Amino acid sequence: AQSVTQPDIHITVSEGASLELRCNYSYGATPYLFWYVQSPGQGLQLLLKYFSGDTLVQGIKGFEAEFKRSQSSFNLRKPSVHWSDAAEYFCAVGARGGSNYKLTFGKGTLLTVNP
Amino acid sequence: NAGVTQTPKFRVLKTGQSMTLLCAQDMNHEYMYWYRQDPGMGLRLIHYSVGEGTTAKGEVPDGYNVSRLKKQNFLLGLESAAPSQTSVYFCASSYFLGTEAFFGQGTRLTVV
Repeated sequence: AQSVTQPDIHITVSEGASLELRCNYSYGATPYLFWYVQSPGQGLQLLLKYFSGDTLVQGIKGFEAEFKRSQSSFNLRKPSVHWSDAAEYFCAVGARGGSNYKLTFGKGTLLTVNP
Repeated sequence: NAGVTQTPKFRVLKTGQSMTLLCAQDMNHEYMYWYRQDPGMGLRLIHYSVGEGTTAKGEVPDGYNVSRLKKQNFLLGLESAAPSQTSVYFCASSYFLGTEAFFGQGTRLTVV
């Protein structure tokens, strides 16, 4: 069965600092990988996705993520955090093919941004 | 662009009452999903549908029923609400199975 681990429940960074949110997955083949962001009281918005090809993917709001097969990781990065980035971030893994739906989410990382 | 719309946005139920949550999408997606979100638990899949007239169980289906009579709508029913069903419920849809999902704004349900 596939699974997603986000090791950091809560991260605090200063505005302007760099950010890396960790995501590790377990899946038997190359998965689809996603990062979503959720602002308070809102639904989830897709930041970026990896299906195949270039392992460094660019997303919205200046975020990027790198797929590392050898480490089963898909970490999210941003070079300079803005106060508006404060939110909860979810990594998700989707299974490829078949009729058995699988889009599994991690438990989330809450990001606090200090002025 | 409406995307995925959920109604209602908030609801308070008494234990044992029933209700239906409605999800509508205007993207012509085949696949639709219902998740619940609880603190520290992430999102857990309740039920999903791979097309009009189909439904399937997800990770936490007990106490819920669903129907997909029209392609654009996916209904989630609680026949006899319990306090353990207090949660935020999200509907989502996708073009392909297992790929990026588009989410509604959520329904905050409290069962007292």
